[in-house]
Amino acid sequence: SQTIHQWPATLVQPVGSPLSLECTVEGTSNPNLYWYRQAAGRGLQLLFYSVGIGQISSEVPQNLSASRPQDRQFILSSKKLLLSDSGFYLCAWTRGKSGRPLHFGNGTRLTVT
Amino acid sequence: AQKITQTQPGMFVQEKEAVTLDCTYDTSDPSYGLFWYKQPSSGEMIFLIYQGSYDQQNATEGRYSLNFQKARKSANLVISASQLGDSAMYFCATGEAGANSKLTFGKGITLSVRP
Repeated sequence: SQTIHQWPATLVQPVGSPLSLECTVEGTSNPNLYWYRQAAGRGLQLLFYSVGIGQISSEVPQNLSASRPQDRQFILSSKKLLLSDSGFYLCAWTRGKSGRPLHFGNGTRLTVT
Repeated sequence: AQKITQTQPGMFVQEKEAVTLDCTYDTSDPSYGLFWYKQPSSGEMIFLIYQGSYDQQNATEGRYSLNFQKARKSANLVISASQLGDSAMYFCATGEAGANSKLTFGKGITLSVRP
């Protein structure tokens, strides 16, 4: 069966510090991968998605970036965090065919202080 | 572009009763899917049910059913026989039928089940 791992679960970082969140998927190959962000009490906003190694599409311009160095690894990064980067970050995967739901990791709660 | 609207304020339901959570959508895609997710206080997103735009019948998954009215662009979630564990945020989402499978989510509805 397929599983998705996301870490860390919680993170407190000062403004201006770098960020690296990692997500890996097991039990499948060539998944579509996604990074979503959820502000407190709000819906999910798609940040990045990837349909293959090295293929990254950005949905919202901001100081975050994403990379996919391996087939089942997706990394969310920032060189300098802003206060507005605080939120709940969720990684997700799917097989990429229509009608297939996204399967989410447990999320990372990021607080920028 | 796609848009999901969930405007209900916090919903309350008595245990063992049914509840309907509203969702309206807007999309220019001729073929699309509609999804419902549950988010308990722990934060994980749990997939509940899916409806394809060309599906002839409304989707059902155990106690969950989706009341799909294409002409009204609505995809309401019906939870039958509510349980205390159903207390959570519920999100409606839509995605175009295609390889990218990107989903657009609504702002969610808070459901509280009373004993």
